[in-house]
Amino acid sequence: GAGVSQTPSNKVTEKGKYVELRCDPISGHTALYWYRQSLGQGPEFLIYFQGTGAADDSGLPNDRFFAVRPEGSVSTLKIQRTERGDSAVYLCASSSQYNEQFFGPGTRLTVL
Amino acid sequence: QQQVKQSPQSLIVQKGGISIINCAYENTAFDYFPWYQQFPGKGPALLIAIRPDVSEKKEGRFTISFNKSAKQFSLHIMDSQPGDSATYFCAARGGSNYKLTFGKGTLLTVNP
Repeated sequence: GAGVSQTPSNKVTEKGKYVELRCDPISGHTALYWYRQSLGQGPEFLIYFQGTGAADDSGLPNDRFFAVRPEGSVSTLKIQRTERGDSAVYLCASSSQYNEQFFGPGTRLTVL
Repeated sequence: QQQVKQSPQSLIVQKGGISIINCAYENTAFDYFPWYQQFPGKGPALLIAIRPDVSEKKEGRFTISFNKSAKQFSLHIMDSQPGDSATYFCAARGGSNYKLTFGKGTLLTVNP
């Protein structure tokens, strides 16, 4: 079956702009995660959804970052007033009740 | 505070050799330890995982060794192949906290 998909694959924006990154999880997976991976680093946790609600958003770096999952499937990560330091690959993962996390290919965000 | 420390940062092995990557953790609440393989431009893919009730798990050419008392675990790749060249990440997760904490990664190069 289809894996986790993320769109766009690349996003270039200017400092101060607003961006939305989309994640389509594996069908039937109730848990969804967002991670951020900077160059040469391991992924860092941002937020975790169980169903429609954010069960843990402790990794969001500040209030410019927000994520939603209104119908318990697709999720959107929203970044306001982007800064150059936000440049990274944003990874989405999903899991079933057995908790193995399957990652998407990521969205490479570049803030100029 | 880096909760999962991974070494070496990079590793070069000849085809047919053994690749060994080590990780150490600090949080004794961690109870699930996966290894991920990541190719350039792709998301991390689960390779193999272990829980602390066993000291070793083998899947094909990949083996995890786990030392609970030392809070260390390692990945061994037997008969390394050029196609194994990738970045490898160890990770850990604990209890009801579903987020993964990753190491910084090891860039493995297998020369033909």
